[in-house]
Amino acid sequence: AQTVTQSQPEMSVQEAETVTLSCTYDTSESDYYLFWYKQPPSRQMILVIRQEAYKQQNATENRFSVNFQKAAKSFSLKISDSQLGDAAMYFCAYRIYGGATNKLIFGTGTLLAVQP
Amino acid sequence: EAGVAQSPRYKIIEKRQSVAFWCNPISGHATLYWYQQILGQGPKLLIQFQNNGVVDDSQLPKDRFSAERLKGVDSTLKIQPAKLEDSAVYLCASSLDLGATYEQYFGPGTRLTVT
Repeated sequence: AQTVTQSQPEMSVQEAETVTLSCTYDTSESDYYLFWYKQPPSRQMILVIRQEAYKQQNATENRFSVNFQKAAKSFSLKISDSQLGDAAMYFCAYRIYGGATNKLIFGTGTLLAVQP
Repeated sequence: EAGVAQSPRYKIIEKRQSVAFWCNPISGHATLYWYQQILGQGPKLLIQFQNNGVVDDSQLPKDRFSAERLKGVDSTLKIQPAKLEDSAVYLCASSLDLGATYEQYFGPGTRLTVT
């Protein structure tokens, strides 16, 4: 069974600094997607960035980038130039490519605080 | 484009009572998901619909939970009777279709408290 592990329940970063959130996963599949979602207090889950496992190049979206290490089954999120609006719960998630369903499997989340 | 709508936003009930949640997906989205998010955990899929058919309900406690998506648009999730451990946020999501390339869009969720 696929599992997603986030070992950092809470993280803190100073405004304008850089922070890295960690995620590891376990799967026997070779084709899959990985995601980082942001959940602010409003509870609405927002997609931050996604990575296709078959792509060697790490995904980037403005201030957000990932370090995808397929062999190590590691998928970390780097937030550069942190802003107060980045404060939220961040979830790492996994999805099989081409399965009968495309359900997301989530980790337990990392609560990010941004200090002014 | 309107997002995924859910109601109510909050609900407090006593154990053994029944409750229903409603979800209206993004217009044109064929696939609809209900996730349960218990405090301190990530969301867990309860049931997934493709149009009005069930694709995956393997994690749905069928003795007390039921869901339907009549006409392949809106969906309701019902709990009867509720238990204390059902206290959670219930998230609805939708995607254009079933394929893995299609992004899932989430609603704001319904926070259920069972006392």
